Amino acid sequence: DAGVIQSPRHEVTEMGQEVTLRCKPISGHNSLFWYRQTMMRGLELLIYFNNNVPIDDSGMPEDRFSAKMPNASFSTLKIQPSEPRDSAVYFCASSGTTFEKLFFGSGTQLSVL
Amino acid sequence: DAKTTQPNSMESNEEEPVHLPCNHSTISGTDYIHWYRQLPSQGPEYVIHGLTSNVNNRMASLAIAEDRKSSTLILHRATLRDAAVYYCILKRPRGAQKLVFGQGTRLTINP
Repeated sequence: DAGVIQSPRHEVTEMGQEVTLRCKPISGHNSLFWYRQTMMRGLELLIYFNNNVPIDDSGMPEDRFSAKMPNASFSTLKIQPSEPRDSAVYFCASSGTTFEKLFFGSGTQLSVL
Repeated sequence: DAKTTQPNSMESNEEEPVHLPCNHSTISGTDYIHWYRQLPSQGPEYVIHGLTSNVNNRMASLAIAEDRKSSTLILHRATLRDAAVYYCILKRPRGAQKLVFGQGTRLTINP
């Protein structure tokens, strides 16, 4: 298996632009998680899905952030409009039905200028 | 949610054992103890988990105190590749749920 696949690996954009991050979970996994990592705040959980349904979005910073999971093999995290304080590494992770382990992608490094 | 406490940083030498401590005094009876590590410029990766008994796998060993209020991740023979941030996390046994990462322990391995 190719593991959790995230795209793009790097994204540089200007303040006010829309940013879309993409994630393909491991085939057969039914839980998907979006995390954000910064030096100041460490790894923060933004939202997670179970069977394509959002279960807990309490970590989403504000209305500028939205996440979707239209099917079991794809999820997006959108920021509109983006701001410099959104600059961070965004990780996607998935887990199977036993929920024992999370498998993380390589992350998307987002820079908002 | 029960919290964990880890030292901010630790240092060890290559080919020596490393013992990474974690305190979790408010752990509940059904919480599992999970360890993840994050190598530089990578996403976190699962290391090991346990409930009450000590656990071993190809990466590490997990020693859990009898009262379960603390645990220790043991790397038997550290290599330079083991330099990473190690996270100790408590997790309930069933259901999709969030995994809350603390600040972890930054492990430095000296050649």
